Amino acid sequence: DAGVTQSPTHLIKTRGQQVTLRCSPKSGHDTVSWYQQALGQGPQFIFQYYEEEERQRGNFPDRFSGHQFPNYSSELNVNALLLGDSALYLCASSLIANRAAKFDPYEQYFGPGTRLTVT
Amino acid sequence: RKEVEQDPGPFNVPEGATVAFNCTYSNSASQSFFWYRQDCRKEPKLLMSVYSSGNEDGRFTAQLNRASQYISLLIRDSKLSDSATYLCVGQMDTGRRALTFGSGTRLQVQP
Repeated sequence: DAGVTQSPTHLIKTRGQQVTLRCSPKSGHDTVSWYQQALGQGPQFIFQYYEEEERQRGNFPDRFSGHQFPNYSSELNVNALLLGDSALYLCASSLIANRAAKFDPYEQYFGPGTRLTVT
Repeated sequence: RKEVEQDPGPFNVPEGATVAFNCTYSNSASQSFFWYRQDCRKEPKLLMSVYSSGNEDGRFTAQLNRASQYISLLIRDSKLSDSATYLCVGQMDTGRRALTFGSGTRLQVQP
């Protein structure tokens, strides 16, 4: 059973460039969330995709966009890169076991992350 | 003020010691809480969920106090392998329930 996979592992970009990061969720999962983790900080929620739509978004500018494909995999795109975008980008997948339930705590499984360096 | 606050540490303890981490949260709408463990340059992994009644998993005990908006993690008989950063996490009952992480508390267990 494959876990969450992300590519690439590392990436170096220049200010102003654009980057695309990829994530494949754990087998059987249908929801993908993206997080940004700066050095010495906890992960910060960027957005979440379910049924190929952005369902929830954190406090990130429009330069951050994403997509989910029919096979549940997802991409994170960042335009006009800034030095401050240098971070570990984590993808987490999960499954809404009971979509009718008001609240169903569920575990999010994280991928190994993509380390982005902007110079 | 951050939604989830933790003492960054580091906590340097000898093997076999008992160590406690505390965490406070400001958003009373948060419904679920977790402790995640993150090893250096690795992804976070769920350690345990936290319930008001308290829960224990081997050497680890977690407690939630909703009145004080306070969460704790107790590690007994520390092992070298417990050295990591421990992240306190809240989850709200809205939408798809994004996780809100604290900045983490670093633990270093020494021989």
